[in-house]
Amino acid sequence: GAGVSQSPSNKVTEKGKDVELRCDPISGHTALYWYRQSLGQGLEFLIYFQGNSAPDKSGLPSDRFSAERTGGSVSTLTIQRTQQEDSAVYLCASTQWASGGERSYNEQFFGPGTRLTVL
Amino acid sequence: DAKTTQPPSMDCAEGRAANLPCNHSTISGNEYVYWYRQIHSQGPQYIIHGLKNNETNEMASLIITEDRKSSTLILPHATLRDTAVYYCIVRPLSGANSKLTFGKGITLSVRP
Repeated sequence: GAGVSQSPSNKVTEKGKDVELRCDPISGHTALYWYRQSLGQGLEFLIYFQGNSAPDKSGLPSDRFSAERTGGSVSTLTIQRTQQEDSAVYLCASTQWASGGERSYNEQFFGPGTRLTVL
Repeated sequence: DAKTTQPPSMDCAEGRAANLPCNHSTISGNEYVYWYRQIHSQGPQYIIHGLKNNETNEMASLIITEDRKSSTLILPHATLRDTAVYYCIVRPLSGANSKLTFGKGITLSVRP
């Protein structure tokens, strides 16, 4: 089956512009996460969606960052007034909710990421 | 902040076992140990997880010490394709779908 997909794979933008990054999770996965990875840095959590619950936005670095998940499936991460420090690879992951301790309950499946470059 | 510490890098010969250590001395009783890896230019990939018993799957084995303060990921027969950054992560049981907190990981280089 199809994995997590993200688009675009690469995005180059000018400082001050807004960008939208898209994530298509695995069908049926109820949980969706956004992370980012800056050059030479580890992966940093941004935001988490679980079903109809309020998202966990605790990782968003500033109010320029926002995300939504429409219809419990596709998610869009929006960065307004981009800055050079926003340059990073933005990764999306999804998880299937299931009771019990099965592997799929715990495993996050990651997409290939979107490489954002802010000039 | 990551609750684990790993050496920055190690290497091993192709075909040999790779033993990747991880310290998690402040792990809580309800926290699992997870391992993910990230091959260059790809997203992270789940490998294995465990609570207190040793675990084995088709990819690797996970050995957790009795006091749970450290663990070792074992790739029994490393191949060149296993060259990657390996992340050891502790994660609470109650938040099974919660975020992953990645540290810097350990870079494994498998040499021919």
